[in-house]
Amino acid sequence: DTGVSQDPRHKITKRGQNVTFRCDPISEHNRLYWYRQTLGQGPEFLTYFQNEAQLEKSRLLSDRFSAERPKGSFSTLEIQRTEQGDSAMYLCASNTGELFFGEGSRLTVL
Amino acid sequence: AQKVTQAQTEISVVEKEDVTLDCVYETRDTTYYLFWYKQPPSGELVFLIRRNSFDEQNEISGRYSWNFQKSTSSFNFTITASQVVDSAVYFCALSEGFGSSNTGKLIFGQGTTLQVKP
Repeated sequence: DTGVSQDPRHKITKRGQNVTFRCDPISEHNRLYWYRQTLGQGPEFLTYFQNEAQLEKSRLLSDRFSAERPKGSFSTLEIQRTEQGDSAMYLCASNTGELFFGEGSRLTVL
Repeated sequence: AQKVTQAQTEISVVEKEDVTLDCVYETRDTTYYLFWYKQPPSGELVFLIRRNSFDEQNEISGRYSWNFQKSTSSFNFTITASQVVDSAVYFCALSEGFGSSNTGKLIFGQGTTLQVKP
């Protein structure tokens, strides 16, 4: 499969726990993006990388959120001390022109 | 500031009807890209089209067509002879800048849920 893959697809956690999501972009794509989508809304930009450099972060990305792309290949998005408001679909995308999205990681915080 | 507005929250049509999804955008840039994505119930966003701000030619791809009007900042999407499989949420999106000035970041509208009934 040569698309964008995300893991896990679903995560249920208790408030206060930490969670980590992984994204593997399309192999030749040097840009990688994280978005968040809540029910009934369009995706909202969180952050993006060009190779291993994180070039932009949205104000939505509070200090509980951290994203990395250590070798310019896969990326991780960690949420510390989760809150119920963090429940959403976290989407990863990569591009060299059009943005290609993964299937998303759905987070439910109880 | 950049913004994308899809005023239609939900549309319901009967199969074989034509349907138009509206998209209005705001940007201070003169160079930008506009996109449409489809999100079926499975959840994955599927790319449909990208147009740049200098290309106002309407585009047709099978039953899909797009009308870009810079004068009204609109980029509307029409499905002709709709089918049940067209049922999905459709998103319009904007990305500012060309070439090295384009970060690829997309600003999405709120989406329009299209239900096509048999």
